[in-house]
Amino acid sequence: GQQLNQSPQSMFIQEGEDVSMNCTSSSIFNTWLWYKQDPGEGPVLLIALYKAGELTSNGRLTAQFGITRKDSFLNISASIPSDVGIYFCAGHLSNAGGTSYGKLTFGQGTILTVHP
Amino acid sequence: DGGITQSPKYLFRKEGQNVTLSCEQNLNHDAMYWYRQDPGQGLRLIYYSQIVNDFQKGDIAEGYSVSREKKESFPLTVTSAQKNPTAFYLCASSIGYRRLFFGSGTQLSVL
Repeated sequence: GQQLNQSPQSMFIQEGEDVSMNCTSSSIFNTWLWYKQDPGEGPVLLIALYKAGELTSNGRLTAQFGITRKDSFLNISASIPSDVGIYFCAGHLSNAGGTSYGKLTFGQGTILTVHP
Repeated sequence: DGGITQSPKYLFRKEGQNVTLSCEQNLNHDAMYWYRQDPGQGLRLIYYSQIVNDFQKGDIAEGYSVSREKKESFPLTVTSAQKNPTAFYLCASSIGYRRLFFGSGTQLSVL
């Protein structure tokens, strides 16, 4: 099946630093999503990418859909304490029959800790 | 406010017992999903439903059952056949096939 490798597994940074994380896949996707999960809560969608090469920003967050369609990265600029949480990438590939409806493949997550 | 409501937040299961996790959405989304989350792992799909009265197995359906009698509701039953049920369970819904919106989760533990 499809595999997503997300790195790094964890990051410990100082407030104000920039953060970068990425996901690579053994298969191509036509959608990449980035989610953030706070402890004990469900993931919240941060950014959605739908085209190879697409670069999208949401405030201090920037994400890109890799040209090969097998990777994506997320950058967070000028980190703040509330950025703490687990960040997940997720990929989706719809097939011709449409039977992959909503079936996302998730990375293992990157745990981000921000020290004040 | 529109959203996805999961209940209860915490649930305890005794050996041999079936337990049911509730998921309700008022977003008018057609599709609903159940995911399991274990520490240090990504989310794994248990079951999903594209329309009422229809659902399909995901990657780890063994030991679980679902029903979809109403568009708004997609309950998950963790049966006694699921030998390792302790996990964080997430319900999600989507109007299209790409953007999923999640509930706040249910933590299931074994007594």
